[in-house]
Amino acid sequence: EAGVAQSPRYKIIEKRQSVAFWCNPISGHATLYWYQQILGQGPKLLIQFQNNGVVDDSQLPKDRFSAERLKGVDSTLKIQPAKLEDSAVYLCASSTYRGQGNSYEQYFGPGTRLTVT
Amino acid sequence: AQSVSQHNHHVILSEAASLELGCNYSYGGTVNLFWYVQYPGQHLQLLLKYFSGDPLVKGIKGFEAEFIKSKFSFNLRKPSVQWSDTAEYFCAVNAPGGYQKVTFGIGTKLQVIP
Repeated sequence: EAGVAQSPRYKIIEKRQSVAFWCNPISGHATLYWYQQILGQGPKLLIQFQNNGVVDDSQLPKDRFSAERLKGVDSTLKIQPAKLEDSAVYLCASSTYRGQGNSYEQYFGPGTRLTVT
Repeated sequence: AQSVSQHNHHVILSEAASLELGCNYSYGGTVNLFWYVQYPGQHLQLLLKYFSGDPLVKGIKGFEAEFIKSKFSFNLRKPSVQWSDTAEYFCAVNAPGGYQKVTFGIGTKLQVIP
């Protein structure tokens, strides 16, 4: 089966500019995640979608970050305006959903490496 | 809230040496535990997982991990490492129920010297 697709793979922007990342999950996966991975740290969950609804965005800096998942399939993550500290790899992951309380594993895309100068 | 601690941030081993990477989690209830691996230039991928049952879990490429509930630990082991095991390893935990937010550790970079 095809994996999680992300684009672009690399992006360099200046601070205060805007940027958008795209993710296409594995077909049939209802749950989609966006993570931020800063160099030297583990992935940090930014937002989690169940179909096209948000179930966790507690760590999303909502003053500058936004995400949507129209039609419950692919998703975009936007940063506007970007700050230097947003330099990181942005990972998208997806998983099947077997109902609350059941266990699952996540499949990750290649990530987008963002550099803010 | 759940959290994960990985004690070794950078490990250097010679080929054929044994490996043990420490992982401790903080959460009072039932947990699911994972080890993910990221080889250079590749995606983050699942190495092994513990959901329930036998606390000794075997994964791909000869890796295994043991869940010790009393110690809140899920250490990763491999008896004899190879140069191709050079990668970054992440321990992760989630609590079953709800929408199962996964929390990752900081990661351990393993360098295997031929």
